[in-house]
Amino acid sequence: DTAVSQTPKYLVTQMGNDKSIKCEQNLGHDTMYWYKQDSKKFLKIMFSYNNKELIINETVPNRFSPKSPDKAHLNLHINSLELGDSAVYFCASSARLAGRRTDTQYFGPGTRLTVL
Amino acid sequence: AQSVTQLDSHVSVSEGTPVLLRCNYSSSYSPSLFWYVQHPNKGLQLLLKYTSAATLVKGINGFEAEFKKSETSFHLTKPSAHMSDAAEYFCVVSDQMGRGSTLGRLYFGRGTQLTVWP
Repeated sequence: DTAVSQTPKYLVTQMGNDKSIKCEQNLGHDTMYWYKQDSKKFLKIMFSYNNKELIINETVPNRFSPKSPDKAHLNLHINSLELGDSAVYFCASSARLAGRRTDTQYFGPGTRLTVL
Repeated sequence: AQSVTQLDSHVSVSEGTPVLLRCNYSSSYSPSLFWYVQHPNKGLQLLLKYTSAATLVKGINGFEAEFKKSETSFHLTKPSAHMSDAAEYFCVVSDQMGRGSTLGRLYFGRGTQLTVWP
């Protein structure tokens, strides 16, 4: 009965490769997010989708492209991986409340990306 | 603008003694505030949240936090630490009343590493 799941849990790859991380939630939420946690454990939002529409797009390199095939899935594709992309990437989801507010965000277990 | 300052990067306590993790926030609007916990190599788990109801919020595992608007603080406490409490704790503020793309965005503190000694 996993709420927010991510695959893979670990990803080790070479510089220059293209990789994807998948996220799925079974909570019936309509808003999903991607966060990056750096080596000092600081978390920062990258993207947010509501009902498959991009609503938050932080200053992230164009090599990062989120894709939401439906409101239960939000995948993150990364082109031309660089050493600095090594981090833990977390997916999260939340319900939408009245007045465009959002409810509590629930996080997935994270994907540890290591670029060699 | 929203921001969070966690005043201690590391806190060490002995098992059975009280825990205090300090957090101050800055928010242009009435904030929603959260504490999340991250155990080693695990995801983020919600401990508790404040959303303008009671100012003393009780969470899971015996944790609680008190919202003090006059001090712009949201400190996390627990009366008696347990070894299993050792983890990274994040104080988080959410913009629930802002406009445009900032709506619903979470702003994380830098985290406090809690060590519990036997």
